[in-house]
Amino acid sequence: SQQGEEDPQALSIQEGENATMNCSYKTSINNLQWYRQNSGRGLVHLILIRSNEREKHSGRLRVTLDTSKKSSSLLITASRAADTASYFCATNDRGSTLGRLYFGRGTQLTVWP
Amino acid sequence: EAGVVQSPRYKIIEKKQPVAFWCNPISGHNTLYWYLQNLGQGPELLIRYENEEAVDDSQLPKDRFSAERLKGVDSTLKIQPAELGDSAVYLCASSLEASDTQYFGPGTRLTVL
Repeated sequence: SQQGEEDPQALSIQEGENATMNCSYKTSINNLQWYRQNSGRGLVHLILIRSNEREKHSGRLRVTLDTSKKSSSLLITASRAADTASYFCATNDRGSTLGRLYFGRGTQLTVWP
Repeated sequence: EAGVVQSPRYKIIEKKQPVAFWCNPISGHNTLYWYLQNLGQGPELLIRYENEEAVDDSQLPKDRFSAERLKGVDSTLKIQPAELGDSAVYLCASSLEASDTQYFGPGTRLTVL
């Protein structure tokens, strides 16, 4: 079953704008990860944030984690047409086996040139 | 470095026929995963291997699905017989160890008619 739930389901913006996607989950986690999937392709790992971390940056990506609200957000700054893809959050739950990830349904991001 | 390789990329079969998918993980990766991804959903784990051993197969429908990872390298996932509801993308992923980043292959898109 799926643990994370992304919001919104779809997001459409212009190049240069920022894109924010949110993820909510239900149970305690060890870490939360964000992945990108281009149409017809496999998933690409973007960033991992551990349960004791509140914010991480990687290039134009910024991820926050609020364990009290069981939520995370992914911010993509200065978006480009090449950022068009589906974005998934995945949790490694406390008590589950190492490496077991639970994915949400994803946010479909479209960036218009 | 070559990524995770999967074949075939696409497969169309009639229901009740058998089908097999093949995965070659990244060299040196001990952990191998098979995921199922339905349209509009995130991936769901079917089975995880640590070397040759299946350590997490609780979500694998064992009446019709089987998997093997001979010699701890390549892996094959089989469905026999296939049902209409098996139409989906089957993703393979690998990681150095279970707690490390997972790298995904492009997937095999299965259509059962």
